Amino acid sequence: AIVLNQSPSSIIASQGEKVTITCRASSSISSNYLHWYQQKPGAFPKLVIYSTSYRASGVPSRFSGSGSGTSYSFTISRVEAEDVATYYCQQGSSNPYTFGAGTKLELK
Amino acid sequence: QVQLKESGPGLVQPSETLSLTCTVSGFSLTSYSVSWVRQPSGKGPEWMGRMWYDGDTAYNSALKSRLSISRDTSKNQVFLKMNSLQTDDTGTYYCTREGARWYFDFWGPGTMVTVSS
Repeated sequence: AIVLNQSPSSIIASQGEKVTITCRASSSISSNYLHWYQQKPGAFPKLVIYSTSYRASGVPSRFSGSGSGTSYSFTISRVEAEDVATYYCQQGSSNPYTFGAGTKLELK
Repeated sequence: QVQLKESGPGLVQPSETLSLTCTVSGFSLTSYSVSWVRQPSGKGPEWMGRMWYDGDTAYNSALKSRLSISRDTSKNQVFLKMNSLQTDDTGTYYCTREGARWYFDFWGPGTMVTVSS
């Protein structure tokens, strides 16, 4: 199975700050199949970015993604209070589809 | 609008079988695949398996020997059965609709399953 290593595991940021999360895969994956989710406490994960860099419907433009091969990143250009959540990367390149362990974003 | 909802028992005895139902609306099970994803408390999600739009199935190899997914298209339902449950099977179980690049674009609210005697 492809292992996805996310870093950092937690971030404390100020409102308006730029934050970046990295997802590194144990094997190369097509950028078409790397996705990012946002999960708020008590809720299901919500698709934010699909296929590395495409924002899901209704997602603000401050969210973006990039990467290729084994290294991917997810960026919030200016953190807002509503962005407090845990973020997960997920690969759909090979069975079994796997998720990273998550990055918890908190506000300072 | 697209909706999915999981239903099933909240408590299962160790070594028993878990049966869950996912009822969908707003899309056709013959046009979209549906996956089951579970999440232990405080941990990342785990993909369990998929019911393809054409009726075929795919399973996570780690669970394949214990897992079965089926469907009833006339009732817009997808079913999960997993046997030999243990305490580390405790968590929230979600059904999800899959997008074209194997992402999960719609999720049910999830159902909490506790394995305990």
